[in-house]
Amino acid sequence: QSVLTQPPSVSGAPGQRVTISCTGSSSNIGALYDVHWYQQLPGTVPKLLIHGDNNRPSGVPDRFSVSTSGTSASLAITGLQAEDEADYYCQSYDNSLNGYVFGTGTKVTVL
Amino acid sequence: QVTLKESGPALVKPTQTLTLTCTFSGFSLSTSGMRVSWIRQPPGKALEWLGRMDWDDDTFFNTALKTRLTISKDSSKKQVVLTMTNMDPVDTATYYCARQMTKKGDAFDIWGQGTMVTVSS
Repeated sequence: QSVLTQPPSVSGAPGQRVTISCTGSSSNIGALYDVHWYQQLPGTVPKLLIHGDNNRPSGVPDRFSVSTSGTSASLAITGLQAEDEADYYCQSYDNSLNGYVFGTGTKVTVL
Repeated sequence: QVTLKESGPALVKPTQTLTLTCTFSGFSLSTSGMRVSWIRQPPGKALEWLGRMDWDDDTFFNTALKTRLTISKDSSKKQVVLTMTNMDPVDTATYYCARQMTKKGDAFDIWGQGTMVTVSS
């Protein structure tokens, strides 16, 4: 039931900047509900990466940043590092489904 | 330190009812603004929110699964229990519980380790 669409994969060389888009609709991101991002390293539990407007939990480097425009949101990773190889998910609330929704997930590969 | 841990059967048969328990520590689900949600992830697939228990005993569910789900809590034991009826092989997944706080925009800020549930005869 993924109503938030993300690219299946993005890749970049170490040190580069990559962005992950999260496309929603007027009932979720467009309705100005908070968008949150999670990082899931291979074989591990999802971890909150950023919540809302660039709020990073302790330990999350500022190489990770987010932006929102209209019905879409984006996660940017600058200075890409090997340890950033993971799956990334966006998440918001949807008022037509009356529940939380996740993105389809994006696998980041460091070349 | 906030922790959550899921427990329950690793294998259930089709049509059976699944019961999972989330035991948490480091916070009180009686505190205003606290919530615990259940989320699942089929192997190799995306995350799916299942339902939520709030500090005031309100519950909310994924509309697609609402008829199959029940969530309850035992504040004294610091547990939240998920039941899902009529299990099917497509319900095979890792099931997580996670804390939410309204002051963090309801983000799932702390997750349990997850428990893998396989539905097979």
